[in-house]
Amino acid sequence: GAGVSQTPSNKVTEKGKYVELRCDPISGHTALYWYRQSLGQGPEFLIYFQGTGAADDSGLPNDRFFAVRPEGSVSTLKIQRTERGDSAVYLCASSSQGNYGYTFGSGTRLTVV
Amino acid sequence: ELKVEQNPLFLSMQEGKNYTIYCNYSTTSDRLYWYRQDPGKSLESLFVLLSNGAVKQEGRLMASLDTKARLSTLHITAAVHDLSATYFCAVSGGGSNYKLTFGKGTLLTVNP
Repeated sequence: GAGVSQTPSNKVTEKGKYVELRCDPISGHTALYWYRQSLGQGPEFLIYFQGTGAADDSGLPNDRFFAVRPEGSVSTLKIQRTERGDSAVYLCASSSQGNYGYTFGSGTRLTVV
Repeated sequence: ELKVEQNPLFLSMQEGKNYTIYCNYSTTSDRLYWYRQDPGKSLESLFVLLSNGAVKQEGRLMASLDTKARLSTLHITAAVHDLSATYFCAVSGGGSNYKLTFGKGTLLTVNP
């Protein structure tokens, strides 16, 4: 597609529920990143995929967070047993091999009530 | 651990004035990025700086990089209201891992 697409744009869920956030990167981009941005803060790295594999998942805060990219394109960030502290904007970015630029999606605003 | 510090965090300026935002980072890196974010929006790429002494300009914004000092600056010339936004610098981890570490951002308000 023309840009990085993230769905849904907004998600409100109850504490303890499970949520999935989707990222559709630019076609052909092999690298995909998830970041989390809390109010008034800069984005914080969560996980980086190169192709289908997670090359670096050091930013995932705990084992309630998991992400997959089974076919090397679309990625899903999964959060189990959501907590109010998980409320944030989740941003996805993609880039192509050898290209230093990143394209960010519009983000999913997650609110846990 | 790579740390990125921006200052100031808040900047209120009048139209027509000049100002500089500073970005310091703690460890060697080969790529530095500047992004703009409008309220409720995603990140818009402004500049990518890849080498020591790199300088890039777009309109009223100019970014520079000093890798020896681990410092980048974003200079605003003759500010206009449309530049009001939050500006982030981000540094790449380097090597084969391109994850970015962001500063806290500088909220710029340009007043008429």
